[in-house]
Amino acid sequence: GESVGLHLPTLSVQEGDNSIINCAYSNSASDYFIWYKQESGKGPQFIIDIRSNMDKRQGQRVTVLLNKTVKHLSLQIAATQPGDSAVYFCAERDTGGFKTIFGAGTRLFVKA
Amino acid sequence: NAGVTQTPKFRILKIGQSMTLQCAQDMNHNYMYWYRQDPGMGLKLIYYSVGAGITDKGEVPNGYNVSRSTTEDFPLRLELAAPSQTSVYFCASSPLAGGGNEQFFGPGTRLTVL
Repeated sequence: GESVGLHLPTLSVQEGDNSIINCAYSNSASDYFIWYKQESGKGPQFIIDIRSNMDKRQGQRVTVLLNKTVKHLSLQIAATQPGDSAVYFCAERDTGGFKTIFGAGTRLFVKA
Repeated sequence: NAGVTQTPKFRILKIGQSMTLQCAQDMNHNYMYWYRQDPGMGLKLIYYSVGAGITDKGEVPNGYNVSRSTTEDFPLRLELAAPSQTSVYFCASSPLAGGGNEQFFGPGTRLTVL
């Protein structure tokens, strides 16, 4: 599959541990913040989103935290599995609703 | 449902050549998008469409054109290929831009311009 980036920030975790992937965003006016997962050779896949008026949202094994004071977003993955190995992108959606701005991504390695 | 499909998977072009990247979705989504992804970078929006007959520019539209004659299809045209257009191109669709954030992506087209 194609390489999505050779010099991405990398996080390496042991299988079963929790992972925390961080993201700094720039636009205080964004309505939504979104996390995508991209496996090698595939297109990005939606994981979870959070509205700007919330500070926490939980999904299945994932939690997103939003700190608007410092413009920081994080994705927590519980009990990380080998299938979680991928590049993770944070994204923000503008108030118009049509444009989603993606960050550069973080590569997660899960060690068995 | 096949979801979002893209053809071709790979293509090598010479400088100045033209080509069309095909994208189709069978989910009856109104909104469709074209992104490019350069190594080490996130996705950059090239063009988007909110429905048949309606398209608009994204962040990096120069050197590209699009059309949307049907709900299903959203082809991307490169008229005069340049090395700077070497990238992986992703097409995506979504059912609702205002209330939903999930975009469904195709598998991508890897384009090299030499």
